[in-house]
Amino acid sequence: EPEVTQTPSHQVTQMGQEVILRCVPISNHLYFYWYRQILGQKVEFLVSFYNNEISEKSEIFDDQFSVERPDGSNFTLKIRSTKLEDSAMYFCASSEGSDRTPGYTFGSGTRLTVV
Amino acid sequence: AQSVTQLDSQVPVFEEAPVELRCNYSSSVSVYLFWYVQYPNQGLQLLLKYLSGSTLVKGINGFEAEFNKSQTSFHLRKPSVHISDTAEYFCAVSEPNNDMRFGAGTRLTVKP
Repeated sequence: EPEVTQTPSHQVTQMGQEVILRCVPISNHLYFYWYRQILGQKVEFLVSFYNNEISEKSEIFDDQFSVERPDGSNFTLKIRSTKLEDSAMYFCASSEGSDRTPGYTFGSGTRLTVV
Repeated sequence: AQSVTQLDSQVPVFEEAPVELRCNYSSSVSVYLFWYVQYPNQGLQLLLKYLSGSTLVKGINGFEAEFNKSQTSFHLRKPSVHISDTAEYFCAVSEPNNDMRFGAGTRLTVKP
C-alpha cells in the first residue's frame, strides 16, 4: 500500500537554528499538508499546499515557517530560527482528490526536539 | 469553519468490555468524518471514515462508528476491546474543499 514517507524520524536542533523536515507524499496525490502535535496535546493543522502554492494556513504558520515542493516528489517544511516551543511531532499528509474526500494518508512523523 | 469535540480525554476500560468514544462536530454544511488511531510513539492510522451513504461505518480492528446528523455526532464503538487497543484516538472532520480538523483526542487504556 502506498505510504507517505517522512525523514528524519527524530531531529534534535539548537534553539535559533533552521531545520528542514522532509516528506515524500504518495505519488499521484495532489494535496499536501503539515500538522503538528505538541507532546500530549491535539493534532493541529499548520498548512495545506496545492498546485505549488499554499491553499490554507493556520495562525500557527507564521513567518517562521515555509513550505516548498522543490522537485516532483519532495514536500518540505522549513522552520527558521527554531524556538523551544517548536518541539513537537510534525506530521506530513497527502490526499488525492479535489474535494479531499478520501481522507488523508499520514506519514509516521518527525519528532523535533529544540534544545 | 468546522470543529470537533471529543468529550472524554481519557477512557479506562477492562479487557473484553465494550467501549464508546464520543465525538461531536460543528459545521454549517455537510461533512466528512474520520477516526484515527495513534499507538504509542507512532503516526496516525485511519480507522474508518464516513463520506456518505450508510450511517454505520465499519473500520479496521473491529471498530465501527455511527453518523448521527441530528445529534451531530460520530461516536466510535467496539463491542469487546483488547489490551492492544490501548492508544490515542482522534476524531476528525472536514468540509468539502476544506482541510481536516482534529479533536483533542481520547486516550483509551485497556486494563487486564
